[in-house]
Amino acid sequence: DQQVKQNSPSLSVQEGRISILNCDYTNSMFDYFLWYKKYPAEGPTFLISISSIKDKNEDGRFTVFLNKSAKHLSLHIVPSQPGDSAVYFCAASRDPEYGNKLVFGAGTILRVKS
Amino acid sequence: GAGVSQSPRYKVAKRGQDVALRCDPISGHVSLFWYQQALGQGPEFLTYFQNEAQLDKSGLPSDRFFAERPEGSVSTLKIQRTQQEDSAVYLCASSSKTGISGNTIYFGEGSWLTVV
Repeated sequence: DQQVKQNSPSLSVQEGRISILNCDYTNSMFDYFLWYKKYPAEGPTFLISISSIKDKNEDGRFTVFLNKSAKHLSLHIVPSQPGDSAVYFCAASRDPEYGNKLVFGAGTILRVKS
Repeated sequence: GAGVSQSPRYKVAKRGQDVALRCDPISGHVSLFWYQQALGQGPEFLTYFQNEAQLDKSGLPSDRFFAERPEGSVSTLKIQRTQQEDSAVYLCASSSKTGISGNTIYFGEGSWLTVV
């Protein structure tokens, strides 16, 4: 039972364009969401997060949008750069003050072409 | 070291063999997590320590898996009588706070286990 789904295994984008990575979740109890970036042979690194009380969070080139009614979130990268090429994982957690478990999606491979 | 350190980086075990995977978290970090990542999948939660206390072990797939953090720093994940389905990357992560919100969790590079 996949509670967090990333339906696009891969995405290819031209340098300078927008990259949009999508994530859907099924558990309505989730109230904190994160995106992680992973390069080959390295551990995931934290990118950006959003609480369920917000619908948007922005950090430089990265913006995460949350649509609670649709149980959907997306990560926008503008402008995309070749160094953004990596695997992106969406993750969700419930009860952020006390919960310790992250539930991850399967990941989306982003390739930014120069 | 500056980051989360895991050893060994690569381990090939024969089916039925016991293995031990070590995690050195960032110094002073209270929280320590173990995740299992199978090929082509996202990381899956195994267990969580707050200092030396194992507060959540709900993700351990069977009683062949055991984790400890006796002094609240280094942690060991032990897998007994390994099976082929145990082949995965085992990721350790640590953070300076408890909980998830506003808390950056740092992952190690992982221990790649292959059971043959």
